[in-house]
Amino acid sequence: DAKTTQPNSMESNEEEPVHLPCNHSTISGTDYIHWYRQLPSQGPEYVIHGLTSNVNNRMASLAIAEDRKSSTLILHRATLRDAAVYYCILRDVGSGGGADGLTFGKGTHLIIQP
Amino acid sequence: EAGVAQSPRYKIIEKRQSVAFWCNPISGHATLYWYQQILGQGPKLLIQFQNNGVVDDSQLPKDRFSAERLKGVDSTLKIQPAKLEDSAVYLCASSRTGTSLNEQFFGPGTRLTVL
Repeated sequence: DAKTTQPNSMESNEEEPVHLPCNHSTISGTDYIHWYRQLPSQGPEYVIHGLTSNVNNRMASLAIAEDRKSSTLILHRATLRDAAVYYCILRDVGSGGGADGLTFGKGTHLIIQP
Repeated sequence: EAGVAQSPRYKIIEKRQSVAFWCNPISGHATLYWYQQILGQGPKLLIQFQNNGVVDDSQLPKDRFSAERLKGVDSTLKIQPAKLEDSAVYLCASSRTGTSLNEQFFGPGTRLTVL
């Protein structure tokens, strides 16, 4: 899977929007952009994914650049429960053999101030 | 629906001892994964099963780690003998089918400390 680059940490205030960036300049045409997050002392959980168009769900929005070399996860109104490590992961739909384990980087540690 | 179950939640052993972890995936999920997460790093895939067959074990240190999923449901991961560098959280995850779009559901993990 192609490599992603994220800031080590970000800080935001409660009830404000948060924009978490991810760079993936070597993304291929068959790579989907996935976001997972890991709350303290828990396993990771799925947040959102997309290919080319912006995506929204109940947890977040995903904005994908037109050239697909970067994306931004948007939490519209952060709460203290959103404090977690956020991972941006590329998943190749075209990879054969059924092997589809996630390749995690170090992610972005999001700190929410009350 | 019930989530992915793992036990034990914590384990402390001395180096050169053996240890086993157990995982029960979400009912109906054909694909099961084991990940190792060292402190300060993201999880790293160790092995992926589709039903009871191995799909990917390229990152499993096979000289000391083994895993099985005999009936295509529960799975066990074993380390024998353990080394200090095996101290980590071992995460189990499952998904409905092994395709790149399917969401993976993770258990709470087993924290292993090797002294």
